[in-house]
Amino acid sequence: AQTIHQWPVAEIKAVGSPLSLGCTIKGKSSPNLYWYWQATGGTLQQLFYSITVGQVESVVQLNLSASRPKDDQFILSTEKLLLSHSGFYLCAWSPQGGDTEVFFGKGTRLTVV
Amino acid sequence: GDKVKQSPSALSLQEGTNSALRCNFSIAATTVQWFLQNPRGSLINLFYLVPGTKENGRLKSTFNSKESYSTLHIRDAQLEDSGTYFCAAPTSGGNYKPTFGKGTSLVVHP
Repeated sequence: AQTIHQWPVAEIKAVGSPLSLGCTIKGKSSPNLYWYWQATGGTLQQLFYSITVGQVESVVQLNLSASRPKDDQFILSTEKLLLSHSGFYLCAWSPQGGDTEVFFGKGTRLTVV
Repeated sequence: GDKVKQSPSALSLQEGTNSALRCNFSIAATTVQWFLQNPRGSLINLFYLVPGTKENGRLKSTFNSKESYSTLHIRDAQLEDSGTYFCAAPTSGGNYKPTFGKGTSLVVHP
C-alpha cells in the first residue's frame, strides 16, 4: 500500500526566516506529486506539480519554490517567509497520467509571526 | 468566475436526516473527486468518479458530465460526518491541475 508522509506537522516561523517542508511517498514508483496551500477557512490552491524527478512546474507564484530531488521526495521551500505564507500546506500524489485519483498527506500547519 | 462551484457553502443537519451537496462545473470535467476535510485538516478521499454513480455506506455520489454537475448524498447523517466537503475536477483532461471548489461546511448536531 502507498503511504505519504509530510514533515513537519506544524511550524511557527519568523518573518524573513527560511522554510523547508518535505513530503515522501512510499510504495509507488514515478508518481505525480503536488503541493497545495490552504488559507484558514479557504479552498485548496495548487502551487506546484511534478511528473518526474528534477522537473517541477509552478502553478501559482507565492515566492515559494519546489524541488523533486528523488522519485519519492518533494520539497517546498523559501529563503524568506512572509506573513502571507501562513496556512496549511498539503502534499499529494497521483498515479502517472493527468486525470487520475489524487491522494493527500496529513499536511503541515505553518504560522508565520 | 469559479470553475468549480459548490453549494450550499454551509449546512446544518440534525443527526439521522438526509441531505445533498452539489458541485457545478464551468469546465469540461471528465472526472470528479469528493473529499471530506476533518477538523485536524486531513483530506479523506470519499469518491473518485467517471460519469455515473457510486455508493459507499451512507454516501452516494453521482457525476453527470453532460450537464456538468456532481452530487453527494448523505443518508442518516451522523456526528462524525461533520467537516468540510470539497469536490475537485481537472480543469481539462490530462493537465495535472485538479481545481477545487470552495467547500461545503457541514455540522451535524444531536
